[in-house]
Amino acid sequence: EIVMTQSPATLSVSPGERATLSCRASQSVSSNLAWYQQKPGQAPRLLIYGASTRATGIPARFSGSGSGTEFTLTISSLQSEDFAVYYCQQYNNWPPREWTFGQGTKVEIK
Amino acid sequence: QVQLVQSGAEVKKPGASVKVSCKASGYTFTSYGISWVRQAPGQGLEWMGWISAYNGNTNYAQKLQGRVTMTTDTSTSTAYMELRSLRSDDTAVYYCAREHRRWFDPWGQGTLVTVSS
Repeated sequence: EIVMTQSPATLSVSPGERATLSCRASQSVSSNLAWYQQKPGQAPRLLIYGASTRATGIPARFSGSGSGTEFTLTISSLQSEDFAVYYCQQYNNWPPREWTFGQGTKVEIK
Repeated sequence: QVQLVQSGAEVKKPGASVKVSCKASGYTFTSYGISWVRQAPGQGLEWMGWISAYNGNTNYAQKLQGRVTMTTDTSTSTAYMELRSLRSDDTAVYYCAREHRRWFDPWGQGTLVTVSS
């Protein structure tokens, strides 16, 4: 199983500042990585797939980068609606499917 | 718009089974697979398995093999997830999600399953 490790667990950021979230894979997943945002009481929402492609309707302040084992999600200027938990997910190992998520990074207001 | 609507919350006793439904709309159901993901209280996301809505092929997470069954009804565009021999650590919100080229978009609203004696 590919283990996904996110850091930090919690990130305290002021509105308008940049946030940088990291995700590391225990082995290479190429660019087969997605990022999701989850707000309290809501289902996750797809932000990024293919490590760097924004999903439909996702604002340009969200960007993804990386390949292999090291990935980054950057939120260029945090808005109030961006405070949430962010998860990375690898979808490299298949067949059969063995999709795994990171444990999440909570972005909170500083 | 593409939407997945799940069945309501369930309370089950240890050892019982639960079956959660996920009704899809706004797209051709058989053109995509459905994955199920669960989230224990205050915890992260755990992928449970996948079913092809085209031919019913399945792929389950190793730790749930033998306890989980995923099915679809193409006549109603509905996917189902049944989990048997429930334990207290199965208490979680269960999500269905359309698997689009191996990532998940969109997700259902979630179904809380509580396992308690």
